[in-house]
Amino acid sequence: QQQVKQSPQSLIVQKGGISIINCAYENTAFDYFPWYQQFPGKGPALLIAIRPDVSEKKEGRFTISFNKSAKQFSLHIMDSQPGDSATYFCAARAWRSGNTPLVFGKGTRLSVIA
Amino acid sequence: NAGVTQTPKFQVLKTGQSMTLQCAQDMNHNSMYWYRQDPGMGLRLIYYSASEGTTDKGEVPNGYNVSRLNKREFSLRLESAAPSQTSVYFCASSGDRLGQETQYFGPGTRLLVL
Repeated sequence: QQQVKQSPQSLIVQKGGISIINCAYENTAFDYFPWYQQFPGKGPALLIAIRPDVSEKKEGRFTISFNKSAKQFSLHIMDSQPGDSATYFCAARAWRSGNTPLVFGKGTRLSVIA
Repeated sequence: NAGVTQTPKFQVLKTGQSMTLQCAQDMNHNSMYWYRQDPGMGLRLIYYSASEGTTDKGEVPNGYNVSRLNKREFSLRLESAAPSQTSVYFCASSGDRLGQETQYFGPGTRLLVL
């Protein structure tokens, strides 16, 4: 059973455009939602994360939007650059339930073209 | 501060051979994880260790064993490798960074089972 559904699988965006990746979850115990970025040949690295007490978090060109009632969250990359080309994973965790591991989405391969 | 290190970087095995993937972290983290990454499947958790002396099964534990040797080291063993275990394996550890929980991934081990 896939606990975190991520879409799209792949995305091509023009340089300067907005990249949007969406995730949905079912488990209402999830209370921590990070996004990881992975470049080819490397391990994933934390990009940005949000807790459900806020609806939006922004760090530079990267923004997480969170909709608790819809059980959805999304990553927006403003002014997308070729250097943003990578695979992005959303994840979720039931933080208050103790030492439960992150549940990852299946990833979105983003290509930013000039 | 090397973060999370993994050895070997690349390995070719024949069906039925055994091997151990090594992982070490120098960040004094309690929790450590083993994932496999396959095209289109995202990151799937094999085993994790919430603290020294404990291990738990993840989503895809069959065919694998783990040992949490001490707080720094967490190894993954394939007793009898199968072609279905061809994958990229990532080790990770988790701890707090600026008040939020972060998983730090190693560079990965690329395993080919013939």
